[in-house]
Order: sequence, then C-alpha cells, then structure tokens
Amino acid sequence: QVQLQQSGPGLVKPSQTLSLTCAISGDSVSSQSVSWNWIRQSPSRGLEWLGRTYYNSKWSSDYAVSVKSRISINSDTSKNQFSLQLNSVTPEDTAVYYCVRDGGWKYDYWGQGTLVTVSS
Amino acid sequence: QSVLTQPPSVSAAPGQKVTISCSGSRSNIGNGRHYVSWHQQLPGTAPKLLIYQDNKRPSGIPDRVSGSRSGTSATLDITGLQTGDEADYYCGTWDNTLSAYVFGPGTKVTVL
Repeated sequence: QVQLQQSGPGLVKPSQTLSLTCAISGDSVSSQSVSWNWIRQSPSRGLEWLGRTYYNSKWSSDYAVSVKSRISINSDTSKNQFSLQLNSVTPEDTAVYYCVRDGGWKYDYWGQGTLVTVSS
Repeated sequence: QSVLTQPPSVSAAPGQKVTISCSGSRSNIGNGRHYVSWHQQLPGTAPKLLIYQDNKRPSGIPDRVSGSRSGTSATLDITGLQTGDEADYYCGTWDNTLSAYVFGPGTKVTVL
C-alpha cells in the first residue's frame, strides 16, 4: 500500500518561499510509469494541478503555466521523497497543498494535505 | 474559471440515481488520448479516486458507481444512493492547450 506523508510549515510570509516535502512509502520515487505531483485546493481556485516530476531513464518535470516562473519540484532518491518549492508567494497562494501519485492516468494516492497560509 | 463545466449541485433520495456531467472541449475531454477521472471528496479529507481511464473503478469502489465519456463530455453515475455518498465530486483530465491537468469546479451531491 502506497502512503504519502507531507511535511512543511503551515505559515509563510509574503514574498518568501513555500517549501513542502512528501515522503513516499510502498513505492519508489524512481518508479517508471508513475509521476509525482503537487495539487492545491482553495475556495477561489478549486483544485489546481501545479506540476509533476517523474523518472523515465532521466528525471523530468512539468509545471502549470500559472506558476511556471516560481515553482520547482524535485526528487530525493536517497530519502525516497519529492518536494515542492514555490517562490515569491502572495496571499493568493494560500491553499491546501496535496502531494499525489499518478499511477498511469489515475491520481490514486494522495497525501493528507497541508494548509499553507500566506500572511505576515 | 475552469475549462471543465460541472453542475454546482445535484440531489436525489436514498436509493435513487444521480448523474453528474462534465463538459469540456476538443482540447481536453474531446481529445481521444486523454482519459477522464472522477474523484470524491468528503469534508476535511483529500480527494479519493472513484473512476479512472473514463470508466475503470479502483478496487474497493462499488459497481453502483460508473463513468462514461462521449465526445467532449463525461458522466458519472451513482445508483442506489446512500447518505455516505454526500460529498463533492470532481472530474479531471489533461488539457492540451494549457499543457496541464485540469479539474472541474466540483458538484455537491445531496441525499434528500
């Protein structure tokens, strides 16, 4: 059974960097044919896919246009985890953030969610 | 503003059937290579996969839940409605124009 455990601060100041980590058990971050995603949810924007990282002979990442200039999703094979960094945050980035596995056209495993509030 | 459209709410009595529509375009649902998925979200919890690849159910999802796709629309049917089905339901798929996975705005199911 795959489990995703999120960690990171729940409060970030405006203009600073939001950083979250997702620890994987029951699968490998290097598994081929799966991708590791970050999705957020807010009342104003609904469910919003932010991006993904995946390994297919080499590491690749894709990002949503809306955050492409500010986002980075990376993997750490030694810790079997992946992470999200979102720079220059504003109150608009306040949301519940989820790490999610895409097991092949299916977001089948979700982290518990982290409410991140952007406020001074 | 989502590129996928869902009704804000649907309701029915216990034991009855609800149908939730998800309307898109040729850039997403209408692109034959992009599968549709459906998620259920209970209050305060993470979304849960209900349907993937248009009409497949993960293990543990009962067969009274079904999905289909035709043209630029997809549909989720729940028969034999139970009080435990009260939740928000989201469709989702990949959008070629946005180069991103997109979700619908969600539909709240109420059991009368």
